[in-house]
Amino acid sequence: ETGVTQTPRHLVMGMTNKKSLKCEQHLGHNAMYWYKQSAKKPLELMFVYNFKEQTENNSVPSRFSPECPNSSHLFLHLHTLQPEDSALYLCASSQDSGSYGYTFGSGTRLTVV
Amino acid sequence: DQQVKQNSPSLSVQEGRISILNCDYTNSMFDYFLWYKKYPAEGPTFLISISSIKDKNEDGRFTVFLNKSAKHLSLHIVPSQPGDSAVYFCAASSIYTGTASKLTFGTGTRLQVTL
Repeated sequence: ETGVTQTPRHLVMGMTNKKSLKCEQHLGHNAMYWYKQSAKKPLELMFVYNFKEQTENNSVPSRFSPECPNSSHLFLHLHTLQPEDSALYLCASSQDSGSYGYTFGSGTRLTVV
Repeated sequence: DQQVKQNSPSLSVQEGRISILNCDYTNSMFDYFLWYKKYPAEGPTFLISISSIKDKNEDGRFTVFLNKSAKHLSLHIVPSQPGDSAVYFCAASSIYTGTASKLTFGTGTRLQVTL
């Protein structure tokens, strides 16, 4: 498989549930990102990992917890979310955090009920 | 405060004609600009980019123009094709942020190319 793969594609969870989003890239990149896309809003950067180290946390609430075990995998652990957290969550990767532009996955459409 | 703005949420253009998508930015530190295209149920895909040292970059039917003094860029698609129907995102970056790949996005413009 090539590119950036995200699973699941769709997720419905209750506010008391715990779930995880997974992202995997097969491009040999060293930087990975989580973005959030809400309706009628710009894509918002959430987290940046460069060579497995978190280099940016864009004031994201602690109910979102990222994990990057290696340069190819990125997780977003979710717990006690709110309905307003419903959005499209996009993972992306780039050669490193000094490189312009990157490759996105198809996203996970999250609905919190 | 939105640093990258796409003021037209939608645009409809006839097949074969030119599509012009606009983007304005406020941060003068931005030095690299990108356009991404997004189809439904897919992630954004990179389309074309331009560095602030240039004022034009062309790739086939796609041309991006940068006017630094006006803090404005535009994407021209000519001729427009039905397969170009998608949401187009403008994004900007700056090496001065320390993370050149950190992109600031606009809200997107939905392009509809009609037959």
